[in-house]
Amino acid sequence: GQNIDQPTEMTATEGAIVQINCTYQTSGFNGLFWYQQHAGEAPTFLSYNVLDGLEEKGRFSSFLSRSKGYSYLLLKELQMKDSASYLCAVRDRTGNNRKLIWGLGTSLAVNP
Amino acid sequence: GAGVSQSPRYKVAKRGQDVALRCDPISGHVSLFWYQQALGQGPEFLTYFQNEAQLDKSGLPSDRFFAERPEGSVSTLKIQRTQQEDSAVYLCASSARTAGGEKLFFGSGTQLSVL
Repeated sequence: GQNIDQPTEMTATEGAIVQINCTYQTSGFNGLFWYQQHAGEAPTFLSYNVLDGLEEKGRFSSFLSRSKGYSYLLLKELQMKDSASYLCAVRDRTGNNRKLIWGLGTSLAVNP
Repeated sequence: GAGVSQSPRYKVAKRGQDVALRCDPISGHVSLFWYQQALGQGPEFLTYFQNEAQLDKSGLPSDRFFAERPEGSVSTLKIQRTQQEDSAVYLCASSARTAGGEKLFFGSGTQLSVL
């Protein structure tokens, strides 16, 4: 079956580093996305990984291991505005290749 | 416009009422998606359009749900005879390419409450 797992909640301190993990089991794989969603707002794109390794974008980095079905999102120098839900999504390779399978999201609280 | 626009932002409907939710994607975006998001959950896929063609409607929960995009731009999601379990945020997203890897741009969603 299709399954995306990520922790429900995490807490971190302003200025620190936090790693949000995502494991997936899908019948096919054609890329993994991370999105950020503030309460009451639309998800916004953070990163996309299709090959193994680390993609770095400023304070945010995303890692993928296809053999392990594993990804993480790394947030450095945390700011209060980083308090949000972080959604992991996998593009399945079956069918017309358009559907994203979403995790339930990790709610991150950044404390002063 | 600059982003994906959805209207109305909030909709309250009585059970059994029909509703229509509108999505204006980013101009020129070929792909358009509808998602349903319950509180504290990730988005659930409903349907996908490439231009005016509805290529995947496997996520529509019942035949009460219908989506269209007649001219390959604006899309409407219609829910007939609404039920309480239809209460959720309905998100529309568009993207520029049909190949894999493109990112989705989401609208702010329509929050539907069925009483």
